[in-house]
Amino acid sequence: GEDVEQSLFLSVREGDSSVINCTYTDSSSTYLYWYKQEPGAGLQLLTYIFSNMDMKQDQRLTVLLNKKDKHLSLRIADTQTGDSAIYFCAEMGGSGGYNKLIFGAGTRLAVHP
Amino acid sequence: DTAVSQTPKYLVTQMGNDKSIKCEQNLGHDTMYWYKQDSKKFLKIMFSYNNKELIINETVPNRFSPKSPDKAHLNLHINSLELGDSAVYFCASRLGGLTEAFFGQGTRLTVV
Repeated sequence: GEDVEQSLFLSVREGDSSVINCTYTDSSSTYLYWYKQEPGAGLQLLTYIFSNMDMKQDQRLTVLLNKKDKHLSLRIADTQTGDSAIYFCAEMGGSGGYNKLIFGAGTRLAVHP
Repeated sequence: DTAVSQTPKYLVTQMGNDKSIKCEQNLGHDTMYWYKQDSKKFLKIMFSYNNKELIINETVPNRFSPKSPDKAHLNLHINSLELGDSAVYFCASRLGGLTEAFFGQGTRLTVV
């Protein structure tokens, strides 16, 4: 079946790096995503990675994909208080027009001084 | 210019009432979705429409009826509201074959 799992909480000090981990089950997923949700707000797409890539870097964000282990991680360098939010890992399950995003439970990132 | 807009943003209503949430996207996308986010922040797909045709219906009670009058709109009508329907409902859209799905800001529904 389709399932995405991630740890629920992460606390880091401002300026440190944050690493949020995710595992997924659908090996046919073409794209994997990281979304950010700030309190009371909608979902913002942070970054995504194509399944034939191992790594993608975008400014402070680095995504690592281990397709063999079905493991995805998001690293945030120099974490700031504004990075405090819930981070959702998601895979695109289904096929063709039946594609749907399947989300993990979200990791609550707390950044403290 | 809001890409995916939902109305209303907040909705408080009594049990047993019927209510609608509207969603519009101005991105020219052909696929639209409704997601439900519960109090624990779990996000689960409810429906998906592609070119006005229902293609995904994820075991949602038939009190929930989506309607897509055109490709740019996907509305959600809920009959006989129950306490358990309280959640944040997100609309999203995507252009088939492309990667990104864009989400609206959500509608927080509270049933009392």
